[in-house]
Parts: sequence; structure tokens; C-alpha cells
Amino acid sequence: KNEVEQSPQNLTAQEGEFITINCSYSVGISALHWLQQHPGGGIVSLFMLSSGKKKHGRLIATINIQEKHSSLHITASHPRDSAVYICAVRPAYSGGGADGLTFGKGTHLIIQP
Amino acid sequence: DAGITQSPRHKVTETGTPVTLRCHQTENHRYMYWYRQDPGHGLRLIHYSYGVKDTDKGEVSDGYSVSRSKTEDFLLTLESATSSQTSVYFCAIRSPAGGDAEQFFGPGTRLTVL
Repeated sequence: KNEVEQSPQNLTAQEGEFITINCSYSVGISALHWLQQHPGGGIVSLFMLSSGKKKHGRLIATINIQEKHSSLHITASHPRDSAVYICAVRPAYSGGGADGLTFGKGTHLIIQP
Repeated sequence: DAGITQSPRHKVTETGTPVTLRCHQTENHRYMYWYRQDPGHGLRLIHYSYGVKDTDKGEVSDGYSVSRSKTEDFLLTLESATSSQTSVYFCAIRSPAGGDAEQFFGPGTRLTVL
């Protein structure tokens, strides 16, 4: 069974700090997704990656396929970054890719001013 | 934003009653998904669809059924709601692009079963 583990579960930091959220998974994957969910809000896709590194604004996502590990970094964190960050993977055995994603439990991030 | 809506957004019902949640998309995407989100579990797949009348079970499908008679609509039915089905339900869509592709999520439906 595919497991997706995120760490830390909760993170409180001061505005301006560099943030790292980690994700580990147990099976081969075709892609890994990072998602953001604000309190009471919907779920927004931040990144989808299958190798290397992607950057969007202050957000950076990296993945190491051999080690089955991904990190999400936030530079110059801001209170508006406060949200739940969710890692999700699509297992490589899903064939045509119609199967849904397998999700981690999320990391609750609070950035204090 | 992807054109995906869910209705109702909030619902309170009693144990044993049938409930239908609707997901509607305007993107003409082939793949649609129903997930539930519960504290301590994260999101879990209930059912998915890969085309009109083509559906399959996910990880937590017991007590749920789905139907897709049109590309744009994917319905989730709880035949006889139970308190364990109190949850937030998210619909998602995915484009048919080759290889993997982003999933876009609806705003969610908060269901309470008393």
C-alpha cells in the first residue's frame, strides 16, 4: 500500500523565515503534487513534478525520485502563506492514470507577523 | 480558475436518509473524482470516472455510489447516510493530457449526518 508521510505536521514560524516542508512516499510514482488549502477554503494546486525542481515566485519544490522524497520551500515567508500544505502522489502502477491521488495528511503552517 | 462547482455547499441530514452531491464542470475534462477529507486522514478517494458511464471505486467506496450520464456532471450518492459519512467532500477534475496532469478541485461540500 502506498503511504505518503509529511513532516512536520505543524509548523509555526516568524515572518521572513525560510520554510521547508518534507514529503516521503513508499512506492514508485508518475508524479507528485503540492497543494495548498487555506482555512475553510478550497484546495489549490501549487506544483506538479516528476523530477528535478520547480519554482513559482517564493515557492520552490524539489523531488528526488531515487530517495522517494520531495520538499516544498517557502522563501521570505509571509502571514498570507499560513495554510495547510498537502503532498499527493500518483502511483506509477495506475496505468492509464485515471486513478486518483494518494494524499499526505498535510502540514499546518502558521506564519506570525 | 477551473470551472468546477459543487452543490450543495453545506448540508445537514439525518441518519438513514439518501443524499446526493453534485459536481459540475465546464472544462469538458474526461476524468472526475470524488474525495472526502477528514481530520487525521487527509483526502481519500471515494470514486472516480474516466468518461460518461465509466466509473470505478476508490479507497473508501463502501456506502457510496456514483453516476455520470453527462461529461459535465458527476453525482455522488449516499444511499442511506450514516454519521461516519460526516465529512467534507471534494470533487476534482483532470485534463486528458498525455502523462500526468494537474487536478483542479471544487470548493467542497460540508456534509453533517446527525
